[in-house]
Amino acid sequence: DGGITQSPKYLFRKEGQNVTLSCEQNLNHDAMYWYRQDPGQGLRLIYYSQIVNDFQKGDIAEGYSVSREKKESFPLTVTSAQKNPTAFYLCASNQQGAGGYTFGSGTRLTVV
Amino acid sequence: GESVGLHLPTLSVQEGDNSIINCAYSNSASDYFIWYKQESGKGPQFIIDIRSNMDKRQGQRVTVLLNKTVKHLSLQIAATQPGDSAVYFCAENGGGGENKLTFGTGTQLKVEL
Repeated sequence: DGGITQSPKYLFRKEGQNVTLSCEQNLNHDAMYWYRQDPGQGLRLIYYSQIVNDFQKGDIAEGYSVSREKKESFPLTVTSAQKNPTAFYLCASNQQGAGGYTFGSGTRLTVV
Repeated sequence: GESVGLHLPTLSVQEGDNSIINCAYSNSASDYFIWYKQESGKGPQFIIDIRSNMDKRQGQRVTVLLNKTVKHLSLQIAATQPGDSAVYFCAENGGGGENKLTFGTGTQLKVEL
C-alpha cells in the first residue's frame, strides 16, 4: 500500500544531542513537508521541499535541518540548537499542483 | 498576517446528532480549503476539501460550506458516531503558486453516548 512512514514512533533525546527523524514515502509525490505540533496548537511548518535537492525554511526552522537527496526521503534533524524540541512531529507529502497532504503517523520526541 | 482560527476549542454532541465545526480565515487570497481529522497520537486524515469557486461540497456524512463573504468555513457531520471523536482542523492554501497549507488550532469533538 502507498503511504508515508515515519520512524521511530517515539524518540528520546538527551540535552545537547542531535537526533534525526525519518520520513519515507512511496507515493511518488514531489513535495514533502515537516510540521511540529504542540498540545492545544495547530501544525507549524518547519521545512518543506518541492523537488529533490531543494528545500525551503518554514515558519519555525531555527534549530532544525533537513536534506532531500532522494524523492522518497525527507529526514529531519533536530539539533542541539533547538531549545524546546519536545513535540509531536508530522511529515506530509503531496503531488505538485494537487490539493491536500498525506500525513505520516508522527514521531513523538521527548527530551530527557 | 494570515491566520486560520476556530470558534470553539471543544464541541460535545450526543450520538446521532449532527455536528457543526466552524472555522474563520483571514486570507482573502486563499483558494483551497481542507478539513482534517486527527485521532489521538496519529497523523491527520483528509476528510473533505473545497475550492473557492464553490460554496458547498458533500461527502459521505460530511458537508463543507464556504462563505467567502465573511471568510467562514464549516464542517457538518451528520448522525455523529463515537468514532467521529477526534480533533478537527481546517487548513487553507493561500495561493501564490506554492502549495503551502496553514492550519487552524483545531476543535476537539466529543461524542457522548
